[in-house]
Amino acid sequence: GENVEQHPSTLSVQEGDSAVIKCTYSDSASNYFPWYKQELGKRPQLIIDIRSNVGEKKDQRIAVTLNKTAKHFSLHITETQPEDSAVYFCAAVPGGKLIFGQGTELSVKP
Amino acid sequence: ETGVTQSPTHLIKTRGQQVTLRCSSQSGHNTVSWYQQALGQGPQFIFQYYREEENGRGNFPPRFSGLQFPNYSSELNVNALELDDSALYLCASSLGAPPNSPLHFGNGTRLTVT
Repeated sequence: GENVEQHPSTLSVQEGDSAVIKCTYSDSASNYFPWYKQELGKRPQLIIDIRSNVGEKKDQRIAVTLNKTAKHFSLHITETQPEDSAVYFCAAVPGGKLIFGQGTELSVKP
Repeated sequence: ETGVTQSPTHLIKTRGQQVTLRCSSQSGHNTVSWYQQALGQGPQFIFQYYREEENGRGNFPPRFSGLQFPNYSSELNVNALELDDSALYLCASSLGAPPNSPLHFGNGTRLTVT
């Protein structure tokens, strides 16, 4: 069945450094790849998404890349700040439903 | 613009009981999806409703059922509760199914089964 693998499960960086989170998916029918940020006790919030006809998308300090041939996509956060600390989830969308990865707990140390 | 609202925020039930969780979709959204998020895990798709009809279902048993009403609000019902049903239940609304429209999540209902 559909599966999304996400790595690493935890990531600790110094403020100002970059952070990269990687995901792979199994269903080649997936055509939409959103990323969500979830702070402790709060709802997942969409931070960026990319469609299968695009290889890269950037929004200020956040960028996402997609390699459909290899079935993997990545989230890049530059110039990290303490408020970036949260759990980040990738997802792939085959057939209208989101299949989430297991999450990455990002900790940005001041 | 009103966001997705869920009620109740917390709930404690006993094994074997039944529970109903409620969700009001964001204004203008006609599609509601329900997800189960166990502690430390990513959300798992339960089912999706579009125009009052179930429009996709994940790998959950029939004791998980749902409804969508004409105003696009929705209910999730779980019968014969088991301890493993303890989780955060998230509702998300959208205008049509993804990728046509991104999902917007509510704050969730934290269900504890003892």
